[in-house]
Amino acid sequence: GDSVTQMEGPVTLSEEAFLTINCTYTATGYPSLFWYVQYPGEGLQLLLKATKADDKGSNKGFEATYRKETTSFHLEKGSVQVSDSAVYFCALSDLGSGNTPLVFGKGTRLSVIA
Amino acid sequence: GAVVSQHPSWVICKSGTSVKIECRSLDFQATTMFWYRQFPKQSLMLMATSNEGSKATYEQGVEKDKFLINHASLTLSTLTVTSAHPEDSSFYICSARSGTSGRGEQFFGPGTRLTVL
Repeated sequence: GDSVTQMEGPVTLSEEAFLTINCTYTATGYPSLFWYVQYPGEGLQLLLKATKADDKGSNKGFEATYRKETTSFHLEKGSVQVSDSAVYFCALSDLGSGNTPLVFGKGTRLSVIA
Repeated sequence: GAVVSQHPSWVICKSGTSVKIECRSLDFQATTMFWYRQFPKQSLMLMATSNEGSKATYEQGVEKDKFLINHASLTLSTLTVTSAHPEDSSFYICSARSGTSGRGEQFFGPGTRLTVL
């Protein structure tokens, strides 16, 4: 079945450091790919998405490129801030599987220190 | 953008009581709603999927008589935790998808923290 694998956390960075959170996937169809962010005590918010190969999703300085050849959707940000501290989830939606829920990775906790 | 609300945001109850959590899509019609449970510092665990007007589909290991889900309209789904016990304490999150959601996107509520004493 479909699956998402993302790097284990926690990740601790200093403010203004470069961030990469790796995400790879397996899917039977042609999935859409998502990054969601969860701030402490809150639900999930969509951070960015990409619906086809080579698409780049971007938002709030974060970006990720849908790489079909490597089945990856790595999240990057050039300069993190303390306010970026949160848990980041990579997810896919394989519409070829009907109306099924998103498949999530296990999440990566990011802590940014001043 | 699409907004999903949950009520209450937190609840504390005594063991043996039942608790109802509401999930509403505020500005779109949710053809499908999902209920998740999240333990501290862990990922989301899908509990069930519900389509408006039909019975929910529960994931393996989730007791349907324990966690009653009703999706009576295109904007409202409820999760009732019956005869709650301390092990039911958790963070419950609902999510909704509309028929026009871009390529499977799901919109999430802010979550409900349940504490059973």
